[in-house]
Amino acid sequence: GAVVSQHPSWVICKSGTSVKIECRSLDFQATTMFWYRQFPKQSLMLMATSNEGSKATYEQGVEKDKFLINHASLTLSTLTVTSAHPEDSSFYICSARDRGYNEQYFGPGTRLTVT
Amino acid sequence: AQSVSQHNHHVILSEAASLELGCNYSYGGTVNLFWYVQYPGQHLQLLLKYFSGDPLVKGIKGFEAEFIKSKFSFNLRKPSVQWSDTAEYFCAVNAGNTDKLIFGTGTRLQVFP
Repeated sequence: GAVVSQHPSWVICKSGTSVKIECRSLDFQATTMFWYRQFPKQSLMLMATSNEGSKATYEQGVEKDKFLINHASLTLSTLTVTSAHPEDSSFYICSARDRGYNEQYFGPGTRLTVT
Repeated sequence: AQSVSQHNHHVILSEAASLELGCNYSYGGTVNLFWYVQYPGQHLQLLLKYFSGDPLVKGIKGFEAEFIKSKFSFNLRKPSVQWSDTAEYFCAVNAGNTDKLIFGTGTRLQVFP
């Protein structure tokens, strides 16, 4: 089956530093990847849609300069949280859509804690 | 704007009880509908999906869902739950012409032996 990995699975960083999270589709090509944020006991909120070879499309209210997304290849998208602050602490989840199929496969998520 | 409502936030059942989780969406056009499950400590997994055709959809692990267009609903059902069904369940919708998934707030299901 389609597998999506994320790295790291958890990270702790100091306020003001930047953190990069990787999302990889392991056994399929993903022209589109999505980045979500999940707060405790809440649903997933879509942050941005990442298309291979083009700029990401951000949802309303998401700062594109703070959450940098790069989709450099058909199997890799990265999310960089720049100048992280404690309020950025959250669970970040990516998903990837298999080319030609209207179904998203989800990664295991990355727990970010900013101290 | 599209939205998804899951009215049951927390459901507690005994094993062998029947389950029905509600999901309503707001969008007047063509939609694709999904139910995902998130077991403790694990990633989201697709339970079932509806794109078109038979409105009664069967998924994995004995789950099924019925799309009722007139009620904008896509309720999830299972006739007899097991302890291993303890998890968070999310309903999601995307409009037929977009890639974006809009999630409901989730329903936490606890099944006791």
